[in-house]
Amino acid sequence: DVKVTQSSRYLVKRTGEKVFLECVQDMDHENMFWYRQDPGLGLRLIYFSYDVKMKEKGDIPEGYSVSREKKERFSLILESASTNQTSMYLCASSLWVGSGSNQPQHFGDGTRLSIL
Amino acid sequence: GQQLNQSPQSMFIQEGEDVSMNCTSSSIFNTWLWYKQDPGEGPVLLIALYKAGELTSNGRLTAQFGITRKDSFLNISASIPSDVGIYFCAGTASKLTFGTGTRLQVTL
Repeated sequence: DVKVTQSSRYLVKRTGEKVFLECVQDMDHENMFWYRQDPGLGLRLIYFSYDVKMKEKGDIPEGYSVSREKKERFSLILESASTNQTSMYLCASSLWVGSGSNQPQHFGDGTRLSIL
Repeated sequence: GQQLNQSPQSMFIQEGEDVSMNCTSSSIFNTWLWYKQDPGEGPVLLIALYKAGELTSNGRLTAQFGITRKDSFLNISASIPSDVGIYFCAGTASKLTFGTGTRLQVTL
């Protein structure tokens, strides 16, 4: 079974802090993704990565950055946390098979982040 | 980003009843996926569909990839209390697009 592990289930930070959310997958997947999930807005893609050191902006990248130094690990960084970044953050990974987009994404359990 | 139309938004059903939900899109998709999300957890993949017309079962769950490639449905037979949760469809073309979710409540 695919295992996607997010480092924290719950996190509370203060406005202006730099926040790191970590995600690790154990299936040697090339693709990794970060989403945020908010009531009424569904899942929105923040950033994704198709390979080590490679990143692409998703639909809502503003205020975030990412790092992929190793294949199994994808980090989401909130450069200067703001209250509107309070949300549920979900990491996912999938296998790359040429077309890149047709393999199912497997999700971690999420990190519920509160910015005070 | 684009979102799929998923209906119904919520359902209240009695234990033992069958459930049906669907997703429609104005775009053609190459893959349809169905996920379930329990409160405070991440989405868990239930069924993946890869070909138009494909009908796939996973226990009491059955899903179909519409022949127009613009829709999909999920059926749950003989619902039980642990079926409670939010069910999401997702379609892939150049990227993965999620439906808005169907919240399922099961009463005893």
